[in-house]
Amino acid sequence: GAVVSQHPSRVICKSGTSVKIECRSLDFQATTMFWYRQFPKQSLMLMATSNEGSKATYEQGVEKDKFLINHASLTLSTLTVTSAHPEDSSFYICSASRGRNEQFFGPGTRLTVL
Amino acid sequence: GQQVMQIPQYQHVQEGEDFTTYCNSSTTLSNIQWYKQRPGGHPVFLIQLVKSGEVKKQKRLTFQFGEAKKNSSLHITATQTTDVGTYFCAGPGYGGSQGNLIFGKGTKLSVKP
Repeated sequence: GAVVSQHPSRVICKSGTSVKIECRSLDFQATTMFWYRQFPKQSLMLMATSNEGSKATYEQGVEKDKFLINHASLTLSTLTVTSAHPEDSSFYICSASRGRNEQFFGPGTRLTVL
Repeated sequence: GQQVMQIPQYQHVQEGEDFTTYCNSSTTLSNIQWYKQRPGGHPVFLIQLVKSGEVKKQKRLTFQFGEAKKNSSLHITATQTTDVGTYFCAGPGYGGSQGNLIFGKGTKLSVKP
């Protein structure tokens, strides 16, 4: 149990376009979902915490208008990178929590902005 | 702000040697978690420690939580090539009620067969 999927796994887009990444908890209802980005050989940087039906809580320095998060249900959260630029290229990983402290991570989405 | 520091950043060992990674927090933690990320993969939860001085074992892995609940360690006995990956410790963030975590930078373990 506790499987989290992420789609797409890879995306290449042109600068200025928007990209939507989906995160789904497949076999459990996630009370909270989290979005991270990870640069090569670096740690996970928490971007935002998302609760179903409410606005996401963004970490300091993360632009909420650029990284739009929608947590539509207890099993789905989406991250939209708006007007993407090359510096947004990164590995984006979501995780889901079902109430206990541990988080279950999705496989990640590698975004490349040309 | 709150920081979770982890050392070493890299560790290269010969198969069969032991390995230890250390984690230190700038603040007292209610709990600490450890994750493993294989190359090209995503983090996978290993364990959570809650009690002061707690020691937990998973086969060849031994996890320890310091008495002051500000540091932790992961020790692997007799490493195997399957242990390769990056090991992260993580503590609750400032808004810990939501379950958000602050991750250390990780220790990348490579094992030479």
